[in-house]
Amino acid sequence: DSGVTQTPKHLITATGQRVTLRCSPRSGDLSVYWYQQSLDQGLQFLIQYYNGEERAKGNILERFSAQQFPDLHSELNLSSLELGDSALYFCASSVTPLATSYTFGSGTRLTVV
Amino acid sequence: AQSVTQPDIHITVSEGASLELRCNYSYGATPYLFWYVQSPGQGLQLLLKYFSGDTLVQGIKGFEAEFKRSQSSFNLRKPSVHWSDAAEYFCAVGGPNDYKLSFGAGTTVTVRA
Repeated sequence: DSGVTQTPKHLITATGQRVTLRCSPRSGDLSVYWYQQSLDQGLQFLIQYYNGEERAKGNILERFSAQQFPDLHSELNLSSLELGDSALYFCASSVTPLATSYTFGSGTRLTVV
Repeated sequence: AQSVTQPDIHITVSEGASLELRCNYSYGATPYLFWYVQSPGQGLQLLLKYFSGDTLVQGIKGFEAEFKRSQSSFNLRKPSVHWSDAAEYFCAVGGPNDYKLSFGAGTTVTVRA
C-alpha cells in the first residue's frame, strides 16, 4: 500500500456520461498530480494541484476538470465521455510541488462503452 | 523538450538470467532520472532515482541503473531475475524544478521458467 488511495478501482460507463475519480494523497503530502495511461499515448500528465490551488496543466481536455479540496483530496471529473477516454487514470502525491518524490496510487481503470 | 525512449517494447528472459532495460532521454539541462515498475493491476512503484553524484544507483528489489551523460542513457539492470520481476518497467525524466515527469512507453518483461 503506497498510501495514495484512488477510488473506484474500476469504472464502466457509457459514452456521453460523466464520472468522478477520487484521490486521497499520502498523509502529509500537499501536492496531487493526475496522469492518464492509455495504450496509444502512454503516460501523460494531466494536471497538478498544490495545497488546494491549481499549479500546472498538461494535456488535459476541456471536457476534463479537477479540484483539490481543503482536506487535500482531489477529484478528477470527466464529462461527455468518448470511447477514447478509456484508460487507466493515476493519481500521485508528493510533499512538495516538484516531481522529485512522487508516490503513485494504484489507479482507476475507466472503460467507456 | 524532454522525452524518453525505451527501445525495447518487450523482453523475455529466463529466471536466473541477467536483465538489462534500455532508456535514452532528451533533456535540456541536468536530468533527474527515474525507473518505475508496474505490476499487473498495480500502480507505479519507484525502483530507483538519480539526481546527482555516483552514476551507479542502487534501488529496491536488487535493481541498479547507470547514468551515462555522454550517451544520454540510464539503463536498468538486474543480475538475476526472479519470476516476480515480470512486469512493465518505465523510465522517466524530469528536472529539479519540474512538476511533471516525462515517461517512456515502457518495456514489458516476461520471465520464463
